[in-house]
Amino acid sequence: AQRVTQPEKLLSVFKGAPVELKCNYSYSGSPELFWYVQYSRQRLQLLLRHISRESIKGFTADLNKGETSFHLKKPFAQEEDSAMYYCALVPGGSYIPTFGRGTSLIVHP
Amino acid sequence: SQTIHQWPATLVQPVGSPLSLECTVEGTSNPNLYWYRQAAGRGLQLLFYSVGIGQISSEVPQNLSASRPQDRQFILSSKKLLLSDSGFYLCAWRDEENDGYTFGSGTRLTVV
Repeated sequence: AQRVTQPEKLLSVFKGAPVELKCNYSYSGSPELFWYVQYSRQRLQLLLRHISRESIKGFTADLNKGETSFHLKKPFAQEEDSAMYYCALVPGGSYIPTFGRGTSLIVHP
Repeated sequence: SQTIHQWPATLVQPVGSPLSLECTVEGTSNPNLYWYRQAAGRGLQLLFYSVGIGQISSEVPQNLSASRPQDRQFILSSKKLLLSDSGFYLCAWRDEENDGYTFGSGTRLTVV
């Protein structure tokens, strides 16, 4: 069975510092990978999909199949980035997402 | 437009009482639907998913059940709640248009 690991429960940085939220996965096939974000008192929402290779709110994520990782990065963190971030994997041919345990990002002024 | 509605937003129920949480989707047909439970430090745990009316798959054994009486309606139920059923329950659907998963606003259930 597939597994998603987010090794950090909490990541605390200062405004303007670079941010990297780690996501490692175990799955033998070709997965779909996503990052979801949940701001305080808001619903969980899609941030990035690996297939679109887009940058949203300054965040990017690259799928590294060799290292089975999908880390989320932003060069300069902003206070409004403070939120809970979840990495999710969907096995190829499936529509059942598996989520990591989440990383709480706190950006200090 | 496509939206997902989930209610109630909060619920306080005594141990042993029944539960019914409802989720409806608008603007799409035959969606894949999901129930997750979100717990601090434990992420999102998939409880049930459905690919069509009357088709329910359970991911974990528990005190809960799910039903899909209509195409765009997904219900989470329990006959007798336990204290351990307390949590934050999220409904979601596979959003083909945006190639992702869209979540409802959630229900905070407290069993007392």
